[in-house]
Amino acid sequence: NAGVMQNPRHLVRRRGQEARLRCSPMKGHSHVYWYRQLPEEGLKFMVYLQKENIIDESGMPKERFSAEFPKEGPSILRIQQVVRGDSAAYFCASSPGQGGEQYFGPGTRLTVT
Amino acid sequence: QKEVEQNSGPLSVPEGAIASLNCTYSDRGSQSFFWYRQYSGKSPELIMFIYSNGDKEDGRFTAQLNKASQYVSLLIRDSQPSDSATYLCAVMGTGNQFYFGTGTSLTVIP
Repeated sequence: NAGVMQNPRHLVRRRGQEARLRCSPMKGHSHVYWYRQLPEEGLKFMVYLQKENIIDESGMPKERFSAEFPKEGPSILRIQQVVRGDSAAYFCASSPGQGGEQYFGPGTRLTVT
Repeated sequence: QKEVEQNSGPLSVPEGAIASLNCTYSDRGSQSFFWYRQYSGKSPELIMFIYSNGDKEDGRFTAQLNKASQYVSLLIRDSQPSDSATYLCAVMGTGNQFYFGTGTSLTVIP
């Protein structure tokens, strides 16, 4: 049973470009969470999605950031017009149900130059 | 006040000793509690989860939950150098949002 998959693992973008991060949950999981982790800091919740629905986006900046989890295909975290402060590790986690344990993907390391 | 608080450490224990990691949380209505291990440069890995007051044991790991005191801990028996990592406490709050502590860095000295 494949775990949570994320791609790309490393992404370099220049300021002003767009970054698209993808996450495929574990088989049988329909709940996806996105987190951001800055160096030497803790995990910060960004957004919680189920298929075709955003359940909680309270942790996501209102500008430039968006997330989706379509009926078919992976969940996507999109960052428009990236700035240096967006450089971080972005982790996706999935769970089999609301409130259940979360399993993390390997993360995408975003570097904005 | 942070939702989840952990002592950042670093915590150092000799090989073979018991490592005790502690976590407190602010949302009294929280029902689900998790411990993750994160090696440097890697993603968090789920070690234990606990929902009920008391102890839950899995191999060398024991999670302890005291909802009245809003306290959850992780004990690692017979600590090994490979246990050296950052341990993250996570709590599912009443709004079904996960809150993570900033983690405790553990070093097991051979």
